[in-house]
Amino acid sequence: DIVMTQSPDSLAVSLGERATINCKSSQSVFYSSNNKNYLAWYQQKPGQPPKLLSYWASTRESGVPDRFSGSGSGTDFTLTISSLQAEDVAVYYCHQYYTTPWTFGQGTKVEIK
Amino acid sequence: EVQLVESGGGLVQPGGSLRLSCAASGFSFSDHYMNWVRQAPGKGLEWVGRTRNKANSYNTDYAPSVKGRFTISRDDSKNSLYLQMNSLKTEDTAVYYCAREFDSSGYSYFDYWGQGALVTVSS
Repeated sequence: DIVMTQSPDSLAVSLGERATINCKSSQSVFYSSNNKNYLAWYQQKPGQPPKLLSYWASTRESGVPDRFSGSGSGTDFTLTISSLQAEDVAVYYCHQYYTTPWTFGQGTKVEIK
Repeated sequence: EVQLVESGGGLVQPGGSLRLSCAASGFSFSDHYMNWVRQAPGKGLEWVGRTRNKANSYNTDYAPSVKGRFTISRDDSKNSLYLQMNSLKTEDTAVYYCAREFDSSGYSYFDYWGQGALVTVSS
């Protein structure tokens, strides 16, 4: 199984400041034949289901604010919130869909400092 | 509008069985691979399993933790997904979400999720 490890487990950021979440996979999720990384990011607010933020590591889902951006390749990925807003308080998960069993990171809780 | 609505959750004793349903609407259900993902109280997300579409023989995949105990099925005529859970353990206590895979490539992210159904396994 591919193990997904996020860091940090939690972070507190001031409003308007940058938040950076890292995700590392135990093996590469890059498929060279189509040049794609099989990595998605989700946001989960309390009492709600997860919401898709980005896929293919860096493609933002329609309707997601452009302050959210994904980057990385191979085994190392980053979700960046460029200017944290109050409504961004949530837990964020990375997810590999390169091979079953699909696996998720343990989650990173983002709070306001 | 895409909607996924789970039902059938509740309290069950260890060793018991329960069947969850997920009613889909707003899209061509029969085209999509469908998944179950669970979340234990205060914990992260854990993939349970999925069913492929008719074109791919409705084949299923399961997480090792549930293989042999849980069965995923679907009824395209009813736009419904099911999760039959047998031999339940206390560690199966979780909110169970149904989630749609974006496409039928077999390797796709989850673009829509239901609101979840709570299953509590306790004596």
